[in-house]
Amino acid sequence: DVKVTQSSRYLVKRTGEKVFLECVQDMDHENMFWYRQDPGLGLRLIYFSYDVKMKEKGDIPEGYSVSREKKERFSLILESASTNQTSMYLCASSLPSGGVTDTQYFGPGTRLTVL
Amino acid sequence: QKEVEQNSGPLSVPEGAIASLNCTYSDRGSQSFFWYRQYSGKSPELIMSIYSNGDKEDGRFTAQLNKASQYVSLLIRDSQPSDSATYLCAAYSGGYQKVTFGIGTKLQVIP
Repeated sequence: DVKVTQSSRYLVKRTGEKVFLECVQDMDHENMFWYRQDPGLGLRLIYFSYDVKMKEKGDIPEGYSVSREKKERFSLILESASTNQTSMYLCASSLPSGGVTDTQYFGPGTRLTVL
Repeated sequence: QKEVEQNSGPLSVPEGAIASLNCTYSDRGSQSFFWYRQYSGKSPELIMSIYSNGDKEDGRFTAQLNKASQYVSLLIRDSQPSDSATYLCAAYSGGYQKVTFGIGTKLQVIP
């Protein structure tokens, strides 16, 4: 079974703090993704990575950065947290493109509240 | 901008009935389609994937794809209260293209 874990289920931070969200997958997947999910807006892609040290901007990268130093780990960084970054953050991983390997497997999510 | 559209619902069906969830997509180059189920407060989990026109059945679930109409649907037979969740439709266009998710349809199965 694919397992994707995220460092925290719930996180409360203050405005201006630097926030690190970590994601680890144990299935040797090349692709990893960070999404945020907000009511009425659905899943929105922040960044994705298709290889170590590679990253691509998604739909809403502003205010975020990412790091992928090892294949199994993909970190999302909020350089200076703001209240509008309060959200559910979901990490996902998948094998490279082609057939059933397009399937994304999600972690349990981190509910971040910025005060 | 590639889009996947779903009615947000809620869609209410009585227990034992067939629930029909629908989705349209804008990118004609989309190759793969997915249905994810998401319980409140939980992360999405894959329930069906479909790549070819026609129907694909898995237990009580049937996914239907019509590429000419750019339409994907999910049928849930003998709906159970445990099926109450939000169902996300997603489309993938291949290569390094990202997967595009719909907003999700909330399904309520009434006992």
